[in-house]
Amino acid sequence: KAGVTQTPRYLIKTRGQQVTLSCSPISGHRSVSWYQQTPGQGLQFLFEYFSETQRNKGNFPGRFSGRQFSNSRSEMNVSTLELGDSALYLCASSMGTGDNEQFFGPGTRLTVL
Amino acid sequence: QKEVEQNSGPLSVPEGAIASLNCTYSDRGSQSFFWYRQYSGKSPELIMFIYSNGDKEDGRFTAQLNKASQYVSLLIRDSQPSDSATYLCALSRGAAGNKLTFGGGTRVLVKP
Repeated sequence: KAGVTQTPRYLIKTRGQQVTLSCSPISGHRSVSWYQQTPGQGLQFLFEYFSETQRNKGNFPGRFSGRQFSNSRSEMNVSTLELGDSALYLCASSMGTGDNEQFFGPGTRLTVL
Repeated sequence: QKEVEQNSGPLSVPEGAIASLNCTYSDRGSQSFFWYRQYSGKSPELIMFIYSNGDKEDGRFTAQLNKASQYVSLLIRDSQPSDSATYLCALSRGAAGNKLTFGGGTRVLVKP
C-alpha cells in the first residue's frame, strides 16, 4: 500500500509570493490534516479536511488555507509569504472516522527568502 | 503552561538498556494518545497509540497511560543505536476531527 505523498519536497520562495503544496493520502483514507513544524514552535496543527470539508482549524492567520478534492487529495495554500513561514509542512492521512491514527507524509520544506 | 510537556533531553541510554520517556498534558478532555518517532530530517513515524488507562505493549515498546494523573509514558526495551531519534508525544480530544496536539519531543541518544 502506497504511503502519503507530498509535492514538492523542497520549495524556495520570496516574501510576498504565494505557494501551493499538495498531499495525496493513503488509498482509502478520507481525512487529511496539515501541520507546520519549526524549530521554535514544534509541530502545530493547521487544519483538517474530511470529505472535502474543513472539519478542524488551528490558530493560524487567514493567509493559510486549504482544500480537499473528491479523490481526497488536498492542497494547502499560503499567500503573502513571510520569513516566518519558513518551515517543514507535513500532511497526515487517516481514515477520518473515529479517532484514527494519523500517518505523515515526507513533508515539504519551504524556505522564504 | 504548555498543553503537552516533554523533557527535551537528550536522554542518553546505553545500548541494551531501557529508555523511559514521559509526557504530561493539561487537557483532561484528551482521549487518545500517540507516540511518534522522528529521525533528523525525516517526518514523524507513528510507533504506538493508547486509548485506555494501563499498559500497551508492541514489540520492544510499551506505552503507559494514567488519565487521572494526566501522564503518558513510553518505554523502549533493549535500546538500539537505531532508536536514537526524537520521540514526540501527541494527543487528541477524540471528538470529531483529527487535531493532534504535540509536545516538543524528547531527543534520545543510544550509545553503543
